[in-house]
Amino acid sequence: AQRVTQPEKLLSVFKGAPVELKCNYSYSGSPELFWYVQYSRQRLQLLLRHISRESIKGFTADLNKGETSFHLKKPFAQEEDSAMYYCALVRNRASGSRLTFGEGTQLTVNP
Amino acid sequence: EAEVAQSPRYKITEKSQAVAFWCDPISGHATLYWYRQILGQGPELLVQFQDESVVDDSQLPKDRFSAERLKGVDSTLKIQPAELGDSAMYLCASSLPVMNTEAFFGQGTRLTVV
Repeated sequence: AQRVTQPEKLLSVFKGAPVELKCNYSYSGSPELFWYVQYSRQRLQLLLRHISRESIKGFTADLNKGETSFHLKKPFAQEEDSAMYYCALVRNRASGSRLTFGEGTQLTVNP
Repeated sequence: EAEVAQSPRYKITEKSQAVAFWCDPISGHATLYWYRQILGQGPELLVQFQDESVVDDSQLPKDRFSAERLKGVDSTLKIQPAELGDSAMYLCASSLPVMNTEAFFGQGTRLTVV
């Protein structure tokens, strides 16, 4: 069975500091990895997906198959980045966009 | 901008009563998901529909939960009877029926069972 682990429930940094939210996964196949974000009082929304290899709002994430990790990084955190971040995976083509989520990391960026 | 609609936003019910949640996905999204999110945890899939057919309900507690999407558009999730442990956020999401496409989430229904 697949599993997503986010070891930090809470992460606090100062504005302008680098931030890294950790995500590790276990799955024997080749999953697709995502980061979803939930800002205060807003709905859960896609931040980025590994297959797109894109940078969104300054965030990037690299899939490391050897370490089975998909850490989310931003070089200079902003106060508006404060939110709950969820790492998630999709098992295979037949799953469509059926997501397995980690437990989430609450990021707080202090002024 | 098109959004997934859910109602009600909040529901308080007594133990052993029946409760139902409604979801209207984004128009054209054939795939619909119901997730349950217990406080402090990530969302967990309960059921996935492709049009009106159930694709995956392996995590749905079928003794008390049921879900339907009769015309392949909107969907209802029902719990009968509700138990204290069912208190959670129930999220609906929809997507196009392809892999790696974005799943769009509703605001959720916060259920409290007393």
